Amino acid sequence: GAVVSQHPSRVICKSGTSVKIECRSLDFQATTMFWYRQFPKQSLMLMATSNEGSKATYEQGVEKDKFLINHASLTLSTLTVTSAHPEDSSFYICSARAGPMNTEAFFGQGTRLTVV
Amino acid sequence: DQQVKQNSPSLSVQEGRISILNCDYTNSMFDYFLWYKKYPAEGPTFLISISSIKDKNEDGRFTVFLNKSAKHLSLHIVPSQPGDSAVYFCAAILVEKLTFGTGTRLTIIP
Repeated sequence: GAVVSQHPSRVICKSGTSVKIECRSLDFQATTMFWYRQFPKQSLMLMATSNEGSKATYEQGVEKDKFLINHASLTLSTLTVTSAHPEDSSFYICSARAGPMNTEAFFGQGTRLTVV
Repeated sequence: DQQVKQNSPSLSVQEGRISILNCDYTNSMFDYFLWYKKYPAEGPTFLISISSIKDKNEDGRFTVFLNKSAKHLSLHIVPSQPGDSAVYFCAAILVEKLTFGTGTRLTIIP
């Protein structure tokens, strides 16, 4: 199947700093990528939909200025957690759709962010 | 409002037997459904999907059944293997948005 690569897999940062997470589709072009966050013992929650060449669409309750999403090319989307706080510590996952709407989405490996 | 529900948080099945994971949804507009498997600290792995115009899709040991009238889908794994132990999420698609269930932890007992 199609491959989505997410980097880094783990990151520890200090409070107040910013962290960038990359999501790449390695063998296909993804016009749309999705960013999810998993809270402990809960399901994945969609944070935002990233569209190549346009602004991301954020879900209700997600701070746009805190979670900056950039989808600069058809193979790369980035999520930057700005001015990180310990409550931002979580597991972040991206996904990309390889074909037209309603085909399966492929997921990255996830990034475990710990803010100390 | 949880539109996709997995009412069983956990399930234990003997190795070699059939594992049946269930998922219910409330939005009849969902037109595509997927099952994912997830190990701790890893991203979900896509398993199998089904379009709303079908009622069954099979791929190796995995079969997904869809009952639109009941707004219910299930994942059958047979025979169950120890490596199947993981958390399983069902998900539904409406336009471009995936909505996930809360997950079921499957434990295969050797």
